Amino acid sequence: EAGVTQFPSHSVIEKGQTVTLRCDPISGHDNLYWYRRVMGKEIKFLLHFVKESKQDESGMPNNRFLAERTGGTYSTLKVQPAELEDSGVYFCASSQDLNTGELFFGEGSRLTVL
Amino acid sequence: AQTVTQSQPEMSVQEAETVTLSCTYDTSESDYYLFWYKQPPSRQMILVIRQEAYKQQNATENRFSVNFQKAAKSFSLKISDSQLGDAAMYFCAYRSDQKGGNQFYFGTGTSLTVIP
Repeated sequence: EAGVTQFPSHSVIEKGQTVTLRCDPISGHDNLYWYRRVMGKEIKFLLHFVKESKQDESGMPNNRFLAERTGGTYSTLKVQPAELEDSGVYFCASSQDLNTGELFFGEGSRLTVL
Repeated sequence: AQTVTQSQPEMSVQEAETVTLSCTYDTSESDYYLFWYKQPPSRQMILVIRQEAYKQQNATENRFSVNFQKAAKSFSLKISDSQLGDAAMYFCAYRSDQKGGNQFYFGTGTSLTVIP
């Protein structure tokens, strides 16, 4: 069974540019999360999808961030325009049964904004 | 909001020895879940162990066990007979059991080095 895959693994962009990160969850997992880790800090929640619906987007930093999950399969996270403080590792995780507490993570997409 | 604190940015242990990683959390809730996740270098983060707050018995998974002190809001991870493959970043996490409590709160992580 394929795990959670994220693309790209590393992206380097200039301030003001746009970047789109993609996450393919494990097939059949309704729950999809985006998290972000800034260097040396905690992993912070961004948002949670249940199928194609945004269940909780309280962690999204501002309106420069847009997440979508069309059809309830893969998800994209777009940052437009990117700022220096957006640099970090963006993790995607999926889960079918939240009661088990087991999130299946991707390897993360490292974003560097210059 | 709930917070999770890992006060040890880095730890090291001799192979075959035992190491304990500390984690404390802050919450006003009585029902919740606690987890330890592990992220090996350049690999996905995986679940190591989980604990339901209503259970008094400490969870164990082979060489991994926890010391859950609910009153003290402490949740440490003990790794026995450490192996080279245990080297990783370890994250402590909290999730509410209340309705709508779908967020996982993570600590800043502890980088564990295993010395051969």
